[in-house]
Amino acid sequence: GAVVSQHPSRVICKSGTSVKIECRSLDFQATTMFWYRQFPKQSLMLMATSNEGSKATYEQGVEKDKFLINHASLTLSTLTVTSAHPEDSSFYICSAGAHYSYEQYFGPGTRLTVT
Amino acid sequence: AQSVTQPDIHITVSEGASLELRCNYSYGATPYLFWYVQSPGQGLQLLLKYFSGDTLVQGIKGFEAEFKRSQSSFNLRKPSVHWSDAAEYFCAVGGNTGTASKLTFGTGTRLQVTL
Repeated sequence: GAVVSQHPSRVICKSGTSVKIECRSLDFQATTMFWYRQFPKQSLMLMATSNEGSKATYEQGVEKDKFLINHASLTLSTLTVTSAHPEDSSFYICSAGAHYSYEQYFGPGTRLTVT
Repeated sequence: AQSVTQPDIHITVSEGASLELRCNYSYGATPYLFWYVQSPGQGLQLLLKYFSGDTLVQGIKGFEAEFKRSQSSFNLRKPSVHWSDAAEYFCAVGGNTGTASKLTFGTGTRLQVTL
């Protein structure tokens, strides 16, 4: 149980375009979802926390207008990178938490490359 | 603010040797502590977690960790390393809020296993 999926696993987009990444909890209701970013050979940095039906809470330094997060249902959160630039190229990982657990369940990640 | 320090960036051990990866945390109260493993290009896999109770925690793949409040440490150990254990290991701390809360990750330790 507690499986989280991400789609797509890899995406390449041109500079200036937008790209959407989906994060789904497959077998539980995710009251909270988290979005992390990981640069090559570096640690994970939390970008934002989203609760179902509420606006996301962004970490300091993360541009909310550039990284749009929507958590419209208890099983789906989306991260949209708007007007992507090469420096947005990174590995994006989501995680989901259920109301009954202290634990987060991580998705497999999405590799974004902006050309 | 919560923080995690993993002092060893890179560790090399021989297959069959014992392993200890260090993790020190900073948190104002009793934290939730986690160890994750990540293979290249992959998501995170939870090895073990500490919420409360017994300070020696057993995890998957033969790993264990000990929570030492006096030292603010949560070191990961394995008595005999296998070549397949080569990966990146992350220690993380989360808030003791009763539900899934944002995690702060250490910078990671890359484990190399020699045959």
